[in-house]
Amino acid sequence: QVQLQESGPGLVKPSQTLSLSCTVSGGSISSGTYYWSWIRQPAGKGLEWIGRIYTSGSTNYNPSLKSRVTISEDTSKNQFSLKLSSVTAADTAVYYCARAINYYDSGGYVGWFDPWGQGTLVTVSS
Amino acid sequence: QSVLTQPPSASGTPGQNVTISCSGSSSNIGGHTVNWYQQFPGTAPKLLIYSNNRRPSGVPDRFSGSKSGTSASLAISGLQSEDEADYYCAAWDDSLNGWVFGGGTKLTVL
Repeated sequence: QVQLQESGPGLVKPSQTLSLSCTVSGGSISSGTYYWSWIRQPAGKGLEWIGRIYTSGSTNYNPSLKSRVTISEDTSKNQFSLKLSSVTAADTAVYYCARAINYYDSGGYVGWFDPWGQGTLVTVSS
Repeated sequence: QSVLTQPPSASGTPGQNVTISCSGSSSNIGGHTVNWYQQFPGTAPKLLIYSNNRRPSGVPDRFSGSKSGTSASLAISGLQSEDEADYYCAAWDDSLNGWVFGGGTKLTVL
């Protein structure tokens, strides 16, 4: 059973770079079948997709965050990581990593996030 | 402001049937499948419905999903107290070339 676990600093100063890692156990991020995503949720608010990485190293980012986001993978550690630069208080949120299956069929783009990590709270404050 | 529109709240009494709507556009729900996630306070979202109407193993058949045009719905039949949670819809969006979520619906079991 695949499990994901986020890790990283819980407090980041404004204008600095937020860095998180997601360690995958019970499966390989190199399997070629899945996309590996980051999603965040400010307190009391909804979910926001940040971006994803595929086995080939190809990435997609939310246009609203694209200029500040980098998602990378470390297959030797079976991890993928998130870097968000120039953070402000608006970036304070619980950050989740998740595995996704995505493919096209007659119904269009099919995909879903499962499983999710437990989430980690990152607070941006001086 | 979320790309997909959900009612912020819904409620029902035990045993009732409840439906939560999710409205989008041709660039997301209209062209792609919809997923639903259930989230309890302080925990990560959990996949509830995928590909419009399919349930992962372990999800009770009281939960069902449907899609028509640019809207989708999550139906819960025989509401139970343990169904009290937040529910989110999600779909791929061609305009953003990424995933979009609804703002979430807080379900209260009265």
